Amino acid sequence: DSGVTQTPKHLITATGQRVTLRCSPRSGDLSVYWYQQSLDQGLQFLIHYYNGEERAKGNILERFSAQQFPDLHSELNLSSLELGDSALYFCASSPDGSNQPQHFGDGTRLSIL
Amino acid sequence: GQNIDQPTEMTATEGAIVQINCTYQTSGFNGLFWYQQHAGEAPTFLSYNVLDGLEEKGRFSSFLSRSKGYSYLLLKELQMKDSASYLCAVKEGTYKYIFGTGTRLKVLA
Repeated sequence: DSGVTQTPKHLITATGQRVTLRCSPRSGDLSVYWYQQSLDQGLQFLIHYYNGEERAKGNILERFSAQQFPDLHSELNLSSLELGDSALYFCASSPDGSNQPQHFGDGTRLSIL
Repeated sequence: GQNIDQPTEMTATEGAIVQINCTYQTSGFNGLFWYQQHAGEAPTFLSYNVLDGLEEKGRFSSFLSRSKGYSYLLLKELQMKDSASYLCAVKEGTYKYIFGTGTRLKVLA
């Protein structure tokens, strides 16, 4: 158990819909990272938050947004969903911006029908 | 641009040694990480290199050459449970991580 909690574990929805994925980092970790993992593309970095502030952006679509709340949990919002958004979405946390390793949650599997 | 290359698949025999290579081209290099990921599960941290040389951790070792943009993960005394994907990830700057597509390792009895 990494200590990172993601909910829900599975999500099935239709094209055009909007969903929110939730992540609670390990106790004491200030950094939260979001990744998308599709079968053919590996782990794609989406966005990073540190202590409530956005610090780095990867290949995140404009239809996607995220935020980190004062209690340090984070949410990833995906809107106008397309079939290609079907993927495993991982959240990871680390204490800060140092080179301590990230610890990953079990992921949310999103299926778009 | 950013690019990380790893072999897609490797096969090895139980008890053997396997080396998984990773080459990268990035800006603002700030460390290289190796993660293990079993199918359908979360990646778990294996090793970290920021300076050139070899880091050893039990059956796993990782090597880095920054001038060559090259790293490898060495797995010794392979066990069946080592069948998994191995992800090479480069840290750029303070907060950004670039992951390779992973190497799927099959360990045969």
